[in-house]
Amino acid sequence: AQSVTQLGSHVSVSEGALVLLRCNYSSSVPPYLFWYVQYPNQGLQLLLKYTSAATLVKGINGFEAEFKKSETSFHLTKPSAHMSDAAEYFCAVTEETGANNLFFGTGTRLTVIP
Amino acid sequence: EAGVAQSPRYKIIEKRQSVAFWCNPISGHATLYWYQQILGQGPKLLIQFQNNGVVDDSQLPKDRFSAERLKGVDSTLKIQPAKLEDSAVYLCASSSTGTSPRFGPGTRLTVL
Repeated sequence: AQSVTQLGSHVSVSEGALVLLRCNYSSSVPPYLFWYVQYPNQGLQLLLKYTSAATLVKGINGFEAEFKKSETSFHLTKPSAHMSDAAEYFCAVTEETGANNLFFGTGTRLTVIP
Repeated sequence: EAGVAQSPRYKIIEKRQSVAFWCNPISGHATLYWYQQILGQGPKLLIQFQNNGVVDDSQLPKDRFSAERLKGVDSTLKIQPAKLEDSAVYLCASSSTGTSPRFGPGTRLTVL
């Protein structure tokens, strides 16, 4: 069975500061891991995904995430926050076998302070 | 490429009424998903189709929820009768082999 835990339901950062959103996963098989972003009243948009290739994954809008098997983590980072990054961020996991059913975390709401 | 289309975007009903949501996936995507996102929670899979067959409906409350994808393209999700706890955003997503699910804008349901 797969699951993800997102630490911190709300994160606030100043504009220009480092963004760090935490995600830890649990999986009995090698996982595929995802970060999605959700802007108000919109659907989920894929930021990036890990599929057992490079452990450091670069995504859209300057975001990246590093897969750390020893820590069972897949934290999302961005060096410098922009006002437009304010949104809800979801970490998700699925099986490496290719079953695309995603198991989502509870989300982290990012606020960017001017 | 057109995205996943959903309608309506918003729906308000009273408990015990019926409601239906429609989804048109991205052209050529064989897999279609319906997720339920309750306020403050992550999306939870209700049902997954591969073409017009059901792959996983283990989390679908079958006493009140039903879904179909008769021609393997668009899909309808129905709730009959609705309960207060069904208030949520219903997200449709689609994917093809080797691609990540792409999500539609969702339908926000409020049950009064």
